[in-house]
Amino acid sequence: AQSVTQLGSHVSVSEGALVLLRCNYSSSVPPYLFWYVQYPNQGLQLLLKYTTGATLVKGINGFEAEFKKSETSFHLTKPSAHMSDAAEYFCAVSYNDMRFGAGTRLTVKP
Amino acid sequence: KAGVTQTPRYLIKTRGQQVTLSCSPISGHRSVSWYQQTPGQGLQFLFEYFSETQRNKGNFPGRFSGRQFSNSRSEMNVSTLELGDSALYLCASSFSQGASEQYFGPGTRLTVT
Repeated sequence: AQSVTQLGSHVSVSEGALVLLRCNYSSSVPPYLFWYVQYPNQGLQLLLKYTTGATLVKGINGFEAEFKKSETSFHLTKPSAHMSDAAEYFCAVSYNDMRFGAGTRLTVKP
Repeated sequence: KAGVTQTPRYLIKTRGQQVTLSCSPISGHRSVSWYQQTPGQGLQFLFEYFSETQRNKGNFPGRFSGRQFSNSRSEMNVSTLELGDSALYLCASSFSQGASEQYFGPGTRLTVT
């Protein structure tokens, strides 16, 4: 069975600072991994995905994530935070069905 | 291409009533999944339909049911509503079942009083 753990339910950064949202997964088979973002009162929007191939994945809005099999991690990063990045972020792992982490709320301070 | 649409967007029901929510997937997508999102439990998988058949089911009571039509549109039904059913219900569509990336609708906010 697969599962996802997101470390830190709340992360606060200053505008222009590095964003790092942590995700560790558990899967008995090679996983498909995803990051989604949710803005208030909206559904989830796909940021990026890893299926196979290159382990560094680039997504929308300047985000990227690196799949590290040895660490069972898929952390999300962005070099410079923008106010508009404030939202909730979900990591997900998929094999037969999609399993989501508990989410990390990102706050960006001016 | 139009995105996933869900109707209604907001709904208020009384405990004991039943409710039906609707989801229209992206054109060409044949898989529809439903999720319940609450502050306490987060995102929980309800079920997935593909080609009118339920392919996967989460750990929810039988009061939660769904179906998918030949045009891939899906409905979910909750009978005998409880206060704890108050949540944002999200529908997601994907081209194929299982591991495919999913595209989410805006959700239906259900409040049970």
